[in-house]
Amino acid sequence: EPEVTQTPSHQVTQMGQEVILRCVPISNHLYFYWYRQILGQKVEFLVSFYNNEISEKSEIFDDQFSVERPDGSNFTLKIRSTKLEDSAMYFCASSEGRLADSYEQYFGPGTRLTVT
Amino acid sequence: KNQVEQSPQSLIILEGKNCTLQCNYTVSPFSNLRWYKQDTGRGPVSLTIMTFSENTKSNGRYTATLDADTKQSSLHITASQLSDSASYICVVSRKTSYDKVIFGPGTSLSVIP
Repeated sequence: EPEVTQTPSHQVTQMGQEVILRCVPISNHLYFYWYRQILGQKVEFLVSFYNNEISEKSEIFDDQFSVERPDGSNFTLKIRSTKLEDSAMYFCASSEGRLADSYEQYFGPGTRLTVT
Repeated sequence: KNQVEQSPQSLIILEGKNCTLQCNYTVSPFSNLRWYKQDTGRGPVSLTIMTFSENTKSNGRYTATLDADTKQSSLHITASQLSDSASYICVVSRKTSYDKVIFGPGTSLSVIP
Protein backbone atom coordinates (compact mmCIF):
# COMPACT_ATOMS: atom_id res chain seq x y z
CA GLU A 1 0.00 0.00 0.00
CA PRO A 2 1.40 3.44 -0.92
CA GLU A 3 2.65 5.50 1.98
CA VAL A 4 4.25 8.83 2.76
CA THR A 5 7.86 8.47 3.81
CA GLN A 6 10.05 10.93 5.70
CA THR A 7 13.76 11.20 6.33
CA PRO A 8 15.53 11.39 8.65
CA SER A 9 13.48 9.90 11.47
CA HIS A 10 15.45 11.94 13.99
CA GLN A 11 17.58 15.03 13.43
CA VAL A 12 19.66 16.75 16.06
CA THR A 13 21.01 20.19 15.24
CA GLN A 14 22.55 23.15 16.97
CA MET A 15 20.70 26.43 17.38
CA GLY A 16 21.28 28.69 14.38
CA GLN A 17 21.96 25.85 11.96
CA GLU A 18 19.92 25.14 8.84
CA VAL A 19 18.00 21.87 8.54
CA ILE A 20 16.19 20.26 5.66
CA LEU A 21 13.49 17.72 6.34
CA ARG A 22 12.58 15.45 3.48
CA CYS A 23 9.37 13.76 2.46
CA VAL A 24 8.26 11.55 -0.39
CA PRO A 25 4.48 11.93 -0.79
CA ILE A 26 2.26 9.27 -2.35
CA SER A 27 2.99 9.30 -6.06
CA ASN A 28 -0.37 10.30 -7.56
CA HIS A 29 -1.13 12.92 -4.92
CA LEU A 30 -1.22 16.60 -5.84
CA TYR A 31 -1.44 18.38 -2.47
CA PHE A 32 1.33 18.35 0.08
CA TYR A 33 1.48 19.58 3.66
CA TRP A 34 3.79 20.12 6.59
CA TYR A 35 2.62 20.02 10.20
CA ARG A 36 4.45 20.19 13.46
CA GLN A 37 3.68 18.79 16.89
CA ILE A 38 5.56 20.05 19.91
CA LEU A 39 5.84 17.34 22.54
CA GLY A 40 2.61 17.02 24.49
CA GLN A 41 0.77 19.56 22.33
CA LYS A 42 -1.63 19.36 19.42
CA VAL A 43 -0.74 19.04 15.77
CA GLU A 44 -0.35 22.45 14.09
CA PHE A 45 -0.67 23.27 10.39
CA LEU A 46 2.39 24.90 8.86
CA VAL A 47 1.90 25.02 5.10
CA SER A 48 0.14 23.48 2.12
CA PHE A 49 1.61 23.21 -1.37
CA TYR A 50 -0.05 22.66 -4.72
CA ASN A 51 1.04 23.12 -8.31
CA ASN A 52 4.55 24.11 -7.23
CA GLU A 53 3.51 26.92 -4.97
CA ILE A 54 2.32 27.53 -1.44
CA SER A 55 -1.47 27.50 -1.31
CA GLU A 56 -1.88 28.32 2.40
CA LYS A 57 0.36 28.91 5.36
CA SER A 58 -0.06 29.56 9.06
CA GLU A 59 1.33 32.33 11.24
CA ILE A 60 4.00 29.88 12.40
CA PHE A 61 5.38 29.60 8.87
CA ASP A 62 7.50 32.73 8.88
CA ASP A 63 10.51 33.76 6.81
CA GLN A 64 12.78 31.18 8.40
CA PHE A 65 10.73 28.39 6.82
CA SER A 66 10.57 27.43 3.17
CA VAL A 67 9.23 24.51 1.17
CA GLU A 68 10.26 23.10 -2.14
CA ARG A 69 9.47 20.26 -4.50
CA PRO A 70 12.88 19.94 -6.12
CA ASP A 71 11.93 17.02 -8.36
CA GLY A 72 8.92 14.87 -9.16
CA SER A 73 8.99 12.93 -5.92
CA ASN A 74 10.52 14.84 -3.01
CA PHE A 75 8.94 17.58 -0.89
CA THR A 76 11.20 19.41 1.55
CA LEU A 77 10.87 21.74 4.50
CA LYS A 78 13.84 23.98 5.23
CA ILE A 79 14.36 25.83 8.48
CA ARG A 80 17.03 28.43 7.88
CA SER A 81 18.25 29.24 11.36
CA THR A 82 16.86 26.87 13.95
CA LYS A 83 15.75 27.99 17.39
CA LEU A 84 15.24 25.94 20.52
CA GLU A 85 11.48 26.31 20.12
CA ASP A 86 11.63 24.60 16.71
CA SER A 87 12.18 21.31 18.53
CA ALA A 88 9.15 19.23 17.58
CA MET A 89 7.91 16.33 15.50
CA TYR A 90 7.40 17.41 11.90
CA PHE A 91 4.86 15.53 9.83
CA CYS A 92 4.53 15.56 6.08
CA ALA A 93 1.18 14.65 4.53
CA SER A 94 -0.34 14.37 1.09
CA SER A 95 -3.75 14.08 -0.54
CA GLU A 96 -5.20 13.60 -4.03
CA GLY A 97 -7.46 16.62 -3.70
CA ARG A 98 -8.35 19.43 -1.39
CA LEU A 99 -9.14 18.68 2.25
CA ALA A 100 -12.20 20.95 2.11
CA ASP A 101 -13.52 18.57 -0.58
CA SER A 102 -13.21 15.66 1.86
CA TYR A 103 -10.24 13.93 0.29
CA GLU A 104 -8.31 11.56 2.51
CA GLN A 105 -5.05 12.87 3.88
CA TYR A 106 -2.14 10.53 4.54
CA PHE A 107 0.57 11.35 7.05
CA GLY A 108 4.17 10.24 7.13
CA PRO A 109 5.80 8.79 10.24
CA GLY A 110 7.38 12.13 11.17
CA THR A 111 10.84 13.55 11.74
CA ARG A 112 11.75 14.36 15.32
CA LEU A 113 13.81 17.55 15.29
CA THR A 114 15.84 18.34 18.38
CA VAL A 115 17.55 21.74 18.54
CA THR A 116 20.28 22.06 21.17
CA LYS B 1 -12.58 32.21 16.55
CA ASN B 2 -12.27 28.86 14.77
CA GLN B 3 -11.54 26.26 17.42
CA VAL B 4 -11.89 22.57 18.08
CA GLU B 5 -12.23 21.23 21.61
CA GLN B 6 -12.25 17.63 22.77
CA SER B 7 -13.25 15.83 25.92
CA PRO B 8 -12.21 14.09 27.98
CA GLN B 9 -8.53 14.99 27.85
CA SER B 10 -7.68 11.42 28.81
CA LEU B 11 -9.54 8.21 29.47
CA ILE B 12 -8.67 4.80 30.87
CA ILE B 13 -10.95 1.85 30.12
CA LEU B 14 -10.82 -1.91 30.54
CA GLU B 15 -10.24 -4.08 27.52
CA GLY B 16 -13.54 -5.12 25.96
CA LYS B 17 -15.45 -2.09 27.18
CA ASN B 18 -16.96 0.63 25.00
CA CYS B 19 -16.21 4.33 25.17
CA THR B 20 -17.29 7.60 23.59
CA LEU B 21 -15.09 10.59 22.87
CA GLN B 22 -16.47 14.07 22.28
CA CYS B 23 -15.58 16.90 19.93
CA ASN B 24 -17.07 20.41 19.88
CA TYR B 25 -16.14 22.96 17.25
CA THR B 26 -16.79 26.59 16.47
CA VAL B 27 -15.35 26.39 12.94
CA SER B 28 -17.31 28.20 10.29
CA PRO B 29 -18.23 27.83 7.49
CA PHE B 30 -18.06 24.10 8.12
CA SER B 31 -16.90 21.73 5.41
CA ASN B 32 -16.07 18.38 7.00
CA LEU B 33 -14.93 16.74 10.21
CA ARG B 34 -12.34 13.99 10.52
CA TRP B 35 -11.33 11.66 13.29
CA TYR B 36 -7.74 10.47 13.38
CA LYS B 37 -5.96 7.91 15.51
CA GLN B 38 -2.39 8.79 16.48
CA ASP B 39 -0.16 6.21 18.10
CA THR B 40 2.63 7.63 20.24
CA GLY B 41 5.46 8.96 18.07
CA ARG B 42 3.63 8.21 14.82
CA GLY B 43 1.66 10.18 12.25
CA PRO B 44 -2.13 10.43 12.50
CA VAL B 45 -4.18 7.81 10.63
CA SER B 46 -7.62 8.66 9.30
CA LEU B 47 -10.62 6.85 10.80
CA THR B 48 -13.59 8.73 9.30
CA ILE B 49 -14.48 11.85 7.32
CA MET B 50 -17.97 13.33 7.69
CA THR B 51 -19.60 16.11 5.73
CA PHE B 52 -22.49 18.34 6.70
CA SER B 53 -25.10 15.93 5.36
CA GLU B 54 -23.78 12.84 7.16
CA ASN B 55 -24.71 12.16 10.76
CA THR B 56 -23.23 8.69 11.26
CA LYS B 57 -20.30 6.86 9.75
CA SER B 58 -18.70 3.61 10.80
CA ASN B 59 -15.27 2.10 10.26
CA GLY B 60 -15.11 -1.31 11.89
CA ARG B 61 -15.41 -0.87 15.66
CA TYR B 62 -15.32 2.92 15.29
CA THR B 63 -18.56 4.87 14.80
CA ALA B 64 -18.57 8.63 14.42
CA THR B 65 -21.59 10.87 14.72
CA LEU B 66 -22.01 14.47 13.67
CA ASP B 67 -24.61 17.04 14.69
CA ALA B 68 -23.88 20.04 12.48
CA ASP B 69 -26.60 22.09 14.18
CA THR B 70 -25.01 21.87 17.63
CA LYS B 71 -21.49 21.59 16.15
CA GLN B 72 -20.73 18.42 18.02
CA SER B 73 -19.25 15.09 17.03
CA SER B 74 -18.56 11.91 18.90
CA LEU B 75 -16.41 8.84 18.27
CA HIS B 76 -17.69 5.61 19.77
CA ILE B 77 -15.30 2.68 20.13
CA THR B 78 -16.89 -0.71 20.62
CA ALA B 79 -15.28 -3.72 22.35
CA SER B 80 -12.00 -1.94 22.94
CA GLN B 81 -8.68 -3.67 22.37
CA LEU B 82 -5.24 -2.97 23.82
CA SER B 83 -4.19 -1.69 20.40
CA ASP B 84 -6.81 1.05 20.63
CA SER B 85 -4.55 2.83 23.13
CA ALA B 86 -3.68 6.06 21.30
CA SER B 87 -4.61 9.70 20.94
CA TYR B 88 -7.83 10.36 19.03
CA ILE B 89 -7.91 13.67 17.25
CA CYS B 90 -10.85 15.60 15.84
CA VAL B 91 -10.01 17.80 12.83
CA VAL B 92 -12.32 20.27 11.09
CA SER B 93 -12.11 21.86 7.63
CA ARG B 94 -13.61 25.16 6.57
CA LYS B 95 -15.23 25.71 3.18
CA THR B 96 -13.29 28.94 2.71
CA SER B 97 -9.91 27.41 3.53
CA TYR B 98 -9.26 24.65 1.04
CA ASP B 99 -6.13 23.12 2.52
CA LYS B 100 -5.76 24.34 6.10
CA VAL B 101 -7.46 22.21 8.73
CA ILE B 102 -7.95 22.88 12.44
CA PHE B 103 -6.84 20.21 14.87
CA GLY B 104 -8.30 19.51 18.27
CA PRO B 105 -6.01 18.71 21.20
CA GLY B 106 -6.90 15.02 21.16
CA THR B 107 -8.16 12.55 23.74
CA SER B 108 -5.57 10.16 25.09
CA LEU B 109 -7.13 6.70 25.44
CA SER B 110 -5.52 3.94 27.45
CA VAL B 111 -7.01 0.46 27.25
CA ILE B 112 -5.84 -1.78 30.09
CA PRO B 113 -6.17 -5.55 30.49
